[in-house]
Amino acid sequence: EVQLLESGGGLVWPGGSLRLSCAASGFTFSTYAMSWVRQAPGQGLEWVSATSYDGAVTYYTDSVKGRFTISRDNSRNTLYLQMNSLRGEDTAVYYCAKQVGGSHVYWGQGTLVTVSS
Amino acid sequence: QSALTQPRSVSGSPGQSVTISCTGTSSDVGGYNYVSWYQQYPGKVPKLMIYDVIKRPSGVPDRFSGSKSGNTASLTISGLQAEDEADYYCCSYAGTSYVFGTGTQVAVL
Repeated sequence: EVQLLESGGGLVWPGGSLRLSCAASGFTFSTYAMSWVRQAPGQGLEWVSATSYDGAVTYYTDSVKGRFTISRDNSRNTLYLQMNSLRGEDTAVYYCAKQVGGSHVYWGQGTLVTVSS
Repeated sequence: QSALTQPRSVSGSPGQSVTISCTGTSSDVGGYNYVSWYQQYPGKVPKLMIYDVIKRPSGVPDRFSGSKSGNTASLTISGLQAEDEADYYCCSYAGTSYVFGTGTQVAVL
């Protein structure tokens, strides 16, 4: 059974940093692209970032470029999102998702990031 | 990277059909056959319902179907059931990114 378990969310001051983790199990993590998708309170889904199966290729939505870094450790079956220079508009539930082709097939339960003073 | 446009809400009676549109551009919906649809209940995790425009994952009822014409994709729910009341989001690959739709609330009257 595919499982994705996010962690690392919490309350952070504007300008602060957080690192999210997503522990994967139930599939061969090293052979799949992965994404981060977020959802602000009461709002819709927003794709944030994606990485190829080996971490060699990464993509970001414009609003996080230069602030967020996606990475993965295939030896630990873990996906990461390093978030720096956080802003209020980054407040959201962050989901990691397993990609198959152009679709987000499996989603974790999400971790809440709150940026506030 | 503007969000794809969906109607805010659609509604129908049990047994009826409803269609949700998802309008993008030639750089996303119109340019790739990588449109997917997700169902989300309040407070729950999104679930994949349709992928690659028309394909249905195993376990998804066949009353859910997808299509695309030009820059607009559509999700049709035939034989609407009470449990279909949820939010639905489309998503398209856009070359070096993905873009989600604005979301549609489906109400079963």
